[in-house]
Amino acid sequence: EAGVAQSPRYKIIEKRQSVAFWCNPISGHATLYWYQQILGQGPKLLIQFQNNGVVDDSQLPKDRFSAERLKGVDSTLKIQPAKLEDSAVYLCASSLIYTLQGYTFGSGTRLTVV
Amino acid sequence: AQSVTQLGSHVSVSEGALVLLRCNYSSSVPPYLFWYVQYPNQGLQLLLKYTSAATLVKGINGFEAEFKKSETSFHLTKPSAHMSDAAEYFCAVSAVAGGTSYGKLTFGQGTILTVHP
Repeated sequence: EAGVAQSPRYKIIEKRQSVAFWCNPISGHATLYWYQQILGQGPKLLIQFQNNGVVDDSQLPKDRFSAERLKGVDSTLKIQPAKLEDSAVYLCASSLIYTLQGYTFGSGTRLTVV
Repeated sequence: AQSVTQLGSHVSVSEGALVLLRCNYSSSVPPYLFWYVQYPNQGLQLLLKYTSAATLVKGINGFEAEFKKSETSFHLTKPSAHMSDAAEYFCAVSAVAGGTSYGKLTFGQGTILTVHP
């Protein structure tokens, strides 16, 4: 079974630039999550989708972050404009709907803002 | 709100020695609990999970954890450390099915395990 795919693996941008990350969940997984992991900390949930609807985005800095999951499959997370404190690893995860079965993380995108 | 606290940001053991990584949770009701391992530049891999069945949970790579409600703890152990166990370990909590936070994992700060030859 293919895992959760994320791209790019690494990204370096200057502050105030924009950036986008892509995630392709495991086939059949209706629930998709984006987490932010700052160096030295545990991952923190940014947004949770159920199919193409948002379940929880309470921790998403909506003034600069946005996410979408068109057609309930792939998802894109965008930051515009980026700040230095956005430097982190962005992890995507997916699971079967209404269950934690198969909860799987991708390898992440490491963002460095300079 | 649920939370987990991992005691000790760094743990160092000798190869062959017991591994003990500590995790305490805070929740109004017994939650689901997880241990994940993260190797450098990789994502998170599930070691084991507690979902209100047996309190002693066995996971991959010889790890196990015991859920102790009276102590609100879910410590991770392995009888004999191997060099390949060197990594960062995260404890996480989720609400049980039907809860408003179901599916949302709240992680601890992580514990870096070093294994000496």
